[in-house]
Amino acid sequence: NAGVTQTPKFQVLKTGQSMTLQCAQDMNHNSMYWYRQDPGMGLRLIYYSASEGTTDKGEVPNGYNVSRLNKREFSLRLESAAPSQTSVYFCASRIQEGGPFETQYFGPGTRLLVL
Amino acid sequence: DAKTTQPNSMESNEEEPVHLPCNHSTISGTDYIHWYRQLPSQGPEYVIHGLTSNVNNRMASLAIAEDRKSSTLILHRATLRDAAVYYCILRPTGFQKLVFGTGTRLLVSP
Repeated sequence: NAGVTQTPKFQVLKTGQSMTLQCAQDMNHNSMYWYRQDPGMGLRLIYYSASEGTTDKGEVPNGYNVSRLNKREFSLRLESAAPSQTSVYFCASRIQEGGPFETQYFGPGTRLLVL
Repeated sequence: DAKTTQPNSMESNEEEPVHLPCNHSTISGTDYIHWYRQLPSQGPEYVIHGLTSNVNNRMASLAIAEDRKSSTLILHRATLRDAAVYYCILRPTGFQKLVFGTGTRLLVSP
């Protein structure tokens, strides 16, 4: 199993450009998440998808959109990138919602620099 | 969300035990205590979790105070690979998100 994979690993954008961050998991998990991590900070939840066909906002959703394409894939789109969105983006997945103990599995991250 | 308080950083020598503390004085009865760690340039990874009783797994042990207002993650023999940021997180039953604080940066010296 590859676990959670993310593409690209690194991206440089100019202000105003758009891009989509891709995430896929091969563990047959129902729930998927997008976080961002700014330097020296903990992770903050952007959006999540409890199951295929549903998405919900997290702590910091402004400036982002998401698509749960199918059970495996969950993408994050920046429509008009801003320097404040410079960050490391992590995708995660979890077997299912409803219990407090199911582990979240994280991808390796996408480092995004917006100039 | 109930908050956790952790020291910013701790140091240890290789092959010595490490005790990473976490205070969570506002914890509620349904909050599970989770620990994740983040190795340099990687995503977080699960370490251990517990509710009331002490827990052991292959990675670490979790000691939970009787009043549940604090907990301690114990690495029995630190290795260089254990150098990471360790996050103590409270998770209510059924709650979707993990709320990460700034964690404790563990430095391990040879």
